Formats: sequence, C-alpha cells, structure tokens
Amino acid sequence: AQSVTQLDSHVSVSEGTPVLLRCNYSSSYSPSLFWYVQHPNKGLQLLLKYTSAATLVKGINGFEAEFKKSETSFHLTKPSAHMSDAAEYFCVVRMGEFTGGTSYGKLTFGQGTILTVHP
Amino acid sequence: DTGVSQNPRHKITKRGQNVTFRCDPISEHNRLYWYRQTLGQGPEFLTYFQNEAQLEKSRLLSDRFSAERPKGSFSTLEIQRTEQGDSAMYLCASSNRQGIMNTEAFFGQGTRLTVV
Repeated sequence: AQSVTQLDSHVSVSEGTPVLLRCNYSSSYSPSLFWYVQHPNKGLQLLLKYTSAATLVKGINGFEAEFKKSETSFHLTKPSAHMSDAAEYFCVVRMGEFTGGTSYGKLTFGQGTILTVHP
Repeated sequence: DTGVSQNPRHKITKRGQNVTFRCDPISEHNRLYWYRQTLGQGPEFLTYFQNEAQLEKSRLLSDRFSAERPKGSFSTLEIQRTEQGDSAMYLCASSNRQGIMNTEAFFGQGTRLTVV
C-alpha cells in the first residue's frame, strides 16, 4: 500500500521569501515521487519527479525537492517566492517501477497544499 | 498533438440522467487513467487502461460507472443515473510504458460535472 501526507493544507508567504511545502510518504516498494501544481481552471502540471536517481531533484520555475529515505520525506522548496507561484500543490507517489501487478503506474495524491503569496 | 484533451470541459445535468465524458490521450501513450477530484481533495484513482484492456478499477467506481477504451486510443467514462455526490472534476491522464519504465503522467484539464 502507498500513501502520501501533506503536512500543511495552507501555506502563506511573502513575495521574495523562501517556500517550503512538506510531504511524507509511505510505500511498500521503492517509490517514484512527484510534485504537481494546479492553477485555478488549469490542468495539473508536473513540477518535478524523483525516480531513484539523484536525491536532490530540480524542477521547473526554480522549485526543487529532496528525497530523504530515512525520513520518508519529499519536501518541495523554492528560494524566493513569486506571485505567479500561488496555486495548489500536490505531492504524489507511484509504486516502484520494478514491481509487478496491476497497480503499476497508478498515482496516489496527497490532499494538497494551497500556497498563497502576498506582495 | 499538444497534450491530453477532455470533452466537455463542463457538464451540468439533472439527477438521474446519464452522462458521458471523453478523453483523448497523447497519441503514443499506451496507458490511460481516470481520476476524480472533489473540492478540497487530491485526485483519487478510478480506473486504468493499458491499450484497450481495463486492468484496474477502484472500489470508488460503483456499478453506475463504466469506462471503455475500445481501440486503445480515446476513452469514455459514462455515469448512469447520476447522483449529487457524483459532482466532481473528472480528470484523465496518460503515460507511456517503455520497457520496464513508465513515463510521467500528463493530465488533461478535466471535465467538471455538476449534478443538480
């Protein structure tokens, strides 16, 4: 079984300050982890992904995330928030690539974190 | 091909009516997924196709729901005898399996269903 917990439902930051969105996962197998962003009235967009290569993953728009197996965490960070970063962010786990069965490729989403950026 | 396309974008229907949604995945993608997202929640898995075969169905998918992907390309999701609890955003995603690896999933913009 796999699950994802996003520790904050809402995060509010000022423009130009750092962003930290927290995510913990649970997976029986070696997982792939993703962060997706959802802007109002737009589809889900992939920010970055971890698939067992480098533990520090860089994504689009200056975001990055670090996979920490010992802490089962995959927190999303950005050094300096921009107004356009305001959106809902989802941490997502996918069962490991080398497992069999019909759950291969299925995504399990966290509850989401709404990021608000103040001027 | 610019991405996953879903139609319609919005659907308002009366309780008890049937509705059908369509998803056109990225053309070379052999895997297709349906998810449902309700307000304030993350998307929840409904069902999964590899080519034309429906390989997994969530327990969320009641008998009123049926999905098809007849030729391994586009897919339809039908809801019969809609209920107010079916009101949600229905998302389609596609990905590709290349050997033992799976590419990331690309999502459509969704179909927002409102049952009145």
